[in-house]
Amino acid sequence: QQPVQSPQAVILREGEDAVINCSSSKALYSVHWYRQKHGEAPVFLMILLKGGEQKGHEKISASFNEKKQQSSLYLTASQLSYSGTYFCGTSGGGADGLTFGKGTHLIIQP
Amino acid sequence: NAGVTQTPKFQVLKTGQSMTLQCAQDMNHNSMYWYRQDPGMGLRLIYYSASEGTTDKGEVPNGYNVSRLNKREFSLRLESAAPSQTSVYFCASSATGRVAELFFGEGSRLTVL
Repeated sequence: QQPVQSPQAVILREGEDAVINCSSSKALYSVHWYRQKHGEAPVFLMILLKGGEQKGHEKISASFNEKKQQSSLYLTASQLSYSGTYFCGTSGGGADGLTFGKGTHLIIQP
Repeated sequence: NAGVTQTPKFQVLKTGQSMTLQCAQDMNHNSMYWYRQDPGMGLRLIYYSASEGTTDKGEVPNGYNVSRLNKREFSLRLESAAPSQTSVYFCASSATGRVAELFFGEGSRLTVL
């Protein structure tokens, strides 16, 4: 079952902050975050693992609440380049790929 | 560095025709995946190959077949294309390990008339 992302869309002014949420009904081992610009492939942002381990880009921050099976992506002091669609992908721990949410569209205006 | 390469990038088919999407990665990754992306639906897993010699169904496998030709290559075949298979297809690969991210190809846009 796909994780649920919220909000579906966000419009911000440059410099404002945003939070994107991802919630699953299944027990999670890891949560991935990807950003996709129009007409391009998704690009990796961050992995958060059960137990607290993380891997990702320096300027990206996120949290993972294992008990609630929820993750949030924090975008601070947004830049025009942050525009795109953000996807969370969840894994139960096997090598059977990620289950992605439907995405959150982020538009940054000057 | 090429990363993950998909061919073709665009294809138009008529209903009932067959075709194969090719994917190759040069990162020595064990796992490879095929996803389809439709507007408002996110990315949905069609098939995956956890290692050379194995393939398994994902969330939406009906109408597709796959072949893991070797460690580098993973192909997706549509035997009898249907309009419902109009989509953008992404191949991805990942290393083995707890913190292994997916590397995606540029995508193949398929239209079935």
